[in-house]
Amino acid sequence: GQNIDQPTEMTATEGAIVQINCTYQTSGFNGLFWYQQHAGEAPTFLSYNVLDGLEEKGRFSSFLSRSKGYSYLLLKELQMKDSASYLCAVMDSNYQLIWGAGTKLIIKP
Amino acid sequence: GAVVSQHPSWVICKSGTSVKIECRSLDFQATTMFWYRQFPKQSLMLMATSNEGSKATYEQGVEKDKFLINHASLTLSTLTVTSAHPEDSSFYICSARGLAEQETQYFGPGTRLLVL
Repeated sequence: GQNIDQPTEMTATEGAIVQINCTYQTSGFNGLFWYQQHAGEAPTFLSYNVLDGLEEKGRFSSFLSRSKGYSYLLLKELQMKDSASYLCAVMDSNYQLIWGAGTKLIIKP
Repeated sequence: GAVVSQHPSWVICKSGTSVKIECRSLDFQATTMFWYRQFPKQSLMLMATSNEGSKATYEQGVEKDKFLINHASLTLSTLTVTSAHPEDSSFYICSARGLAEQETQYFGPGTRLLVL
């Protein structure tokens, strides 16, 4: 079967750095996406990785290792507004997105 | 770019009525649109995938006669919840993907449905 694993909840302090991990087992791989979803709102696109390595975009970076079936989202200089759920999704061989359950990130002052 | 709109943003209706939700890609052509449902504090659940000009593909357990999907153009898909009941109350979110299969899905803002 296809499976995406990510922690259910994480807590971090304002101004700090947090890494949200995602491991996956899917039938084929056509890229990995990270989305941010604030409570009561729809997801918004953060990043896309299809090749191994680190993609940096401002305070957010996303890393991929295809051989390990592993990705992480790194958030730097955390702000209170970063409190949200972070969804990991993998596009399989049929170009279907397989969704993780999401990681709820709580930022404390 | 990559803006997706949804209308209405929220709707309250009586049990037994039908509700139509529109999803539009405003600045790109969307060959494929996806309809999701999300209950409070739960994960996104894919309901169906619609391709322009063809019948939608429904996920297991989703009644196609209850959730009618029409993808009439490359910028518009509609979801009609027929004979809505209180258990259909949820957050319905559409997403749209461009012409290439590997392109990113962009989400609309969602529609909150409350069936009384």
